[in-house]
Amino acid sequence: KQEVTQIPAALSVPEGENLVLNCSFTDSAIYNLQWFRQDPGKGLTSLLLIQSSQREQTSGRLNASLDKSSGRSTLYIAASQPGDSATYLCAVYTNAGKSTFGDGTTLTVKP
Amino acid sequence: DGGITQSPKYLFRKEGQNVTLSCEQNLNHDAMYWYRQDPGQGLRLIYYSQIVNDFQKGDIAEGYSVSREKKESFPLTVTSAQKNPTAFYLCASSPNFDEQYFGPGTRLTVT
Repeated sequence: KQEVTQIPAALSVPEGENLVLNCSFTDSAIYNLQWFRQDPGKGLTSLLLIQSSQREQTSGRLNASLDKSSGRSTLYIAASQPGDSATYLCAVYTNAGKSTFGDGTTLTVKP
Repeated sequence: DGGITQSPKYLFRKEGQNVTLSCEQNLNHDAMYWYRQDPGQGLRLIYYSQIVNDFQKGDIAEGYSVSREKKESFPLTVTSAQKNPTAFYLCASSPNFDEQYFGPGTRLTVT
């Protein structure tokens, strides 16, 4: 059974810092991996989708990498801003279409 | 304006009453999903549908029912058999089962 772990559960950093969020999964036979952002009381917003043939994706200040062999993905946020404060979740998808979500990392960026 | 809509945003019901949550998408996605999110916990899959007129139980289907009569719509009924229905409910859709996009959520409170 696929398990997805996001450590740490919470992270607090000063504004302007570069930071890395981690996502680990136990079964490396995944197809895609997707990173989401969730603001309090809101739905999940898709940030980046890394497809099976890719090793990384970039959007603005965000960069996500995927290493299937080691069962890890990282989300790099450059020059963090208070508006980046949210919970970040990762989801992995198998070839059978099954998805497994991590519990998320809650990020607080202090001005 | 493409996307996933959920209504209402907030819903209040008395214990013992059934309640139906709406989820509509105009993205032409085949698959749709319902999740439950409780404070401090991750997403838990209730039901999913990969095609019209077909749906499958997720991890916590007891006390819930769904229908998929149209591609665009996947309503969720929370029945009186659900022992702890107060939660945040999220609907998602997918074009190909290996990426998902979420609606804004419905917060259900049962007293």
